[in-house]
Parts: sequence; C-alpha cells; structure tokens
Amino acid sequence: QSALTQPPSASGSPGQSVTISCTGTSSDVGGYNYVSWYQHHPGKAPKLMIYEVSKRPLGVPDRFSGSKSGNTASLTVSGLQAEDEADYYCSSYAGSNNPVFGGRTKLTVL
Amino acid sequence: QVQLVQSGSELKKPGASVKVSCKASEYTFTSYAMHWVRQAPGQGLEWMGWINTNTGNPAYAQGFTGRFVFSLDTSVSTAYLQISSLKAEDTAVYYCARDWVAATFDYWGQGTLVTVSS
Repeated sequence: QSALTQPPSASGSPGQSVTISCTGTSSDVGGYNYVSWYQHHPGKAPKLMIYEVSKRPLGVPDRFSGSKSGNTASLTVSGLQAEDEADYYCSSYAGSNNPVFGGRTKLTVL
Repeated sequence: QVQLVQSGSELKKPGASVKVSCKASEYTFTSYAMHWVRQAPGQGLEWMGWINTNTGNPAYAQGFTGRFVFSLDTSVSTAYLQISSLKAEDTAVYYCARDWVAATFDYWGQGTLVTVSS
C-alpha cells in the first residue's frame, strides 16, 4: 500500500485559510468514507482533528474542516492561529483494518 | 479520561532487543484494537500493524514482519511491542494508538523513543 500524497508544506498568515490536500486511490481514499486528519506537534502525541472525512471530535475547533472528492481529501484550517503550526497527516482506511498515512504536511503560520 | 501511557525511552546496542509497553486506562481494553505507529527521525508517521485485543491475534504491515512482535497482557490492560535484533535504522519514536473505528485513532500514547547505537 503506497502512502497517500500530501504537499510537504503549506503556509498562511494569521486569520487566513489554508487547505491541505491528500490524494490516494480508489482502494483507500476513494473507496471509503474513513479519512482522518491528525495534528502533530513535535514531541507530543498526534491528535485526531477530523474523522470520517468531515467530522470533528469534541474539543476540536470548527476552524478545522474536512472534505473529499473522488480520491482526494482535503483539510481546511480557517482563521489560522499560531498554535495551528504543526505537522498534519491524513490517513485513510484501506481495508482489513489497515490504514494508510499521508506523507506529512508542515503547516507554517507566517 | 482515556489514557495510553507508554514506557520510557530506551538506549540499546545493535543486536539487542527492546520491549515497549502501552498501558491503557479508563476504558474496556478488549473493546478496541491497538495499533503501533513508528516515526523515524525527520520522517512521517508509518503504520506498523495492529493487534486484536480480544483474540491477541496480531497483523503486521509490510516491512514489520519477523523482528517485530505485538503482544498483550489483558489482565493489566497493556499492549507490548517487542523488537529483536535491533538495527540503527530502528531508531525512532514508537506510538501505540487506540482504534476507534476503521483504523481511526482517537487516543495515542505519548511515544517511546528507542535509540539504537553502539
């Protein structure tokens, strides 16, 4: 199973919006509505930000939203804040209780 | 409050073995599968595999067969990752993660740094 494709970096100024894409195949992203996004600050545990393509766990700000079209999922962070600066990973279910991760996107708040 | 608490950092020599623990609390341990994820220095997250906490049956991702073993002690709600014949390229932070649904990880351990160096 190949890793999902994410851009290595993304950036935006405080208050702006940024969208991170995550491209897979019909065997993962396109085949299931189980796309997740994780925020990872160095030295800390990854945090689930979006699950099932567009749902937010309790406590995740509504500035974070997710969507999917075909084999590509997206994470949008609106109203960027300094604390949003982190690494972001997408993940998709790929069958047999196997996930496949994206390669990582480093989000910089300028 | 659900918690996954992992054992502390390890420094091992090449060829040695290491066993990382992941103790779960505040939920029924056998109700959720446990996955293991690796992050090598400067790299992204890499899924290693998972263990069925009901049956103890493990499944390993490509590249993690042979030297990697997942196990459980359900009496203490703990999952284990054992790596044998350690190599320098095994140096990484290893995370356990609870599978909420369809390999969606809602809780993660804090990570265990394993350093392999002579």
